[in-house]
Amino acid sequence: DQQVKQNSPSLSVQEGRISILNCDYTNSMFDYFLWYKKYPAEGPTFLISISSIKDKNEDGRFTVFLNKSAKHLSLHIVPSQPGDSAVYFCAASARESGNTPLVFGKGTRLSVIA
Amino acid sequence: NAGVMQNPRHLVRRRGQEARLRCSPMKGHSHVYWYRQLPEEGLKFMVYLQKENIIDESGMPKERFSAEFPKEGPSILRIQQVVRGDSAAYFCASSRPGTGGYVNTEAFFGQGTRLTVV
Repeated sequence: DQQVKQNSPSLSVQEGRISILNCDYTNSMFDYFLWYKKYPAEGPTFLISISSIKDKNEDGRFTVFLNKSAKHLSLHIVPSQPGDSAVYFCAASARESGNTPLVFGKGTRLSVIA
Repeated sequence: NAGVMQNPRHLVRRRGQEARLRCSPMKGHSHVYWYRQLPEEGLKFMVYLQKENIIDESGMPKERFSAEFPKEGPSILRIQQVVRGDSAAYFCASSRPGTGGYVNTEAFFGQGTRLTVV
């Protein structure tokens, strides 16, 4: 029962181009979404989040878009840099329902090619 | 996130032995969360603890697994009689009090303990 799905296990993008990582969810109670970045042999690092009252949140090169009707969110990285190569996890929570644990997707491995 | 310390980084146990994983939260953090990442999977929530209290252990297997966060000292995740299926990376995260439970931009992860059961 996967409530958070990242259907692309991997993605390759050329340096300078846009990277788009996608995430779908099934639980309509989810109202808060986060993206984490993970390098090998390290713990996940928080990247950016979005509340369901918004449809876009931007932080430097990173923008997260939320489409509630489609239960879909995406992370845009532009321009992509080689240092962005990592595994990106989408996570969701039902905050209004009482702070449920974060539910993570399986991750997408991004490779930015110089 | 370097402030959350997990040890050991790597742990090898034979089937049937016990595994103890330690997590020292960041200074000033009194909330600890344990997650497990199986090969090719995402992180799965196991347990949420505050000092001397288990708040939510809905993700913990019913047998062989236990967790504590004593008043003094690190949080411990204990796995008794390990089996090969317990081989995974175990991550701990911590956050400050009053930051709303699980959903925290202020929750920081440690580097994880990679458990291998042979």
